[in-house]
Amino acid sequence: AAGVIQSPRHLIKEKRETATLKCYPIPRHDTVYWYQQGPGQDPQFLISFYEKMQSDKGSIPDRFSAQQFSDYHSELNMSSLELGDSALYFCASSRGDRYYEQYFGPGTRLTVT
Amino acid sequence: ILNVEQSPQSLHVQEGDSTNFTCSFPSSNFYALHWYRWETAKSPEALFVMTLNGDEKKKGRISATLNTKEGYSYLYIKGSQPEDSATYLCAFTSNAGGTSYGKLTFGQGTILTVHP
Repeated sequence: AAGVIQSPRHLIKEKRETATLKCYPIPRHDTVYWYQQGPGQDPQFLISFYEKMQSDKGSIPDRFSAQQFSDYHSELNMSSLELGDSALYFCASSRGDRYYEQYFGPGTRLTVT
Repeated sequence: ILNVEQSPQSLHVQEGDSTNFTCSFPSSNFYALHWYRWETAKSPEALFVMTLNGDEKKKGRISATLNTKEGYSYLYIKGSQPEDSATYLCAFTSNAGGTSYGKLTFGQGTILTVHP
């Protein structure tokens, strides 16, 4: 069965650079969630989209922005990267009518040096 | 602020042992409780989603129970095998304000190591 695809799997950036993470949901899933897991921390909710509209927002820095496109894939754009942005970024997808069943991608490991 | 607590943080057991972990969560504004199994470098795998007080779910040797009134869930593994070694995450979905958009609040996970 198709799963959630995230790219890239690993990314190394320097401070003040920009990064773009991509998430491709499971086919027919219309809802995407982004989570950030810092070293030794719980995954923290960043933002979610349903039918290409932002549906909920968590502790996402103003330097980050995200959107969901017409094909339901989502991109998380991160600017002015800081050392503290180094983390594992998970994307999850669900069907809008079954949003309590979230399926996760393998994550993108971002390292900021 | 929602707090989801898991215990223990890590657990070492011998193959064949049965084990269990605890997840505690806010008992108000409850919508759903989720258990995920996460192996390093892989996607977290959904084990159970439970929404009703008293729910009990089972998947092979793994089962879970839910008490929404007191705000806890147990995950049980019967006859642990080395391939059960993973981090087990629980997550809570709230319906604060009468709506829920599925945002998960995670606990810190329980790292299980099963020794052959």
